[in-house]
Amino acid sequence: QKEVEQNSGPLSVPEGAIASLNCTYSDRVSQSFFWYRQYSGKSPELIMSIYSNGDKEDGRFTAQLNKASQYVSLLIRDSQPSDSATYLCAVNMRDGNNRLAFGKGNQVVVIP
Amino acid sequence: SAVISQKPSRDICQRGTSLTIQCQVDSQVTMMFWYRQQPGQSLTLIATANQGSEATYESGFVIDKFPISRPNLTFSTLTVSNMSPEDSSIYLCSGSPGRDYGYTFGSGTRLTVV
Repeated sequence: QKEVEQNSGPLSVPEGAIASLNCTYSDRVSQSFFWYRQYSGKSPELIMSIYSNGDKEDGRFTAQLNKASQYVSLLIRDSQPSDSATYLCAVNMRDGNNRLAFGKGNQVVVIP
Repeated sequence: SAVISQKPSRDICQRGTSLTIQCQVDSQVTMMFWYRQQPGQSLTLIATANQGSEATYESGFVIDKFPISRPNLTFSTLTVSNMSPEDSSIYLCSGSPGRDYGYTFGSGTRLTVV
């Protein structure tokens, strides 16, 4: 099993709708979880971090964490064309180097 | 969060030569990491660079090919040595003040080897 998995293919959503992205991880002891947004040709930008079970809201973004199920998700409400990007899930691996393991990313296209 | 300045932003290099990429952070960060990203792909960790110790390399990456320096808590370099076209990629540095903080990325270096 890969350390971080994002299995959904490209996601197309109409403007104003909710985009939902999912991510599973393999390390049961991971404590820190992050979502990054990456526009084409740009470097990843941290948009959400979550450490506790439940929901965390920041503007139009909501991260959801379920440690028992080893599952973290990202909801984008009222999707805008500017949200069109690749979203990367990242998990802090509790190994000696505290590195982040990244999923392969999900491309989101918001259709005006 | 920290701001990381990375340079060069892009370069075209001849095979067999070396390129050194620099990252300067505007604040002290405990951990710095170097990644490679192929177009349309996710991030692949090359190595972890901590001050005062040798870099730790991931499987498939070796120090002779990718030497790293970390002279202080705000600066690091990655050298891509003896380049071949297979080294063409985007190279990214990132830093974090601690294990539970998200990482900030530099703007990336787009390397093309001809």
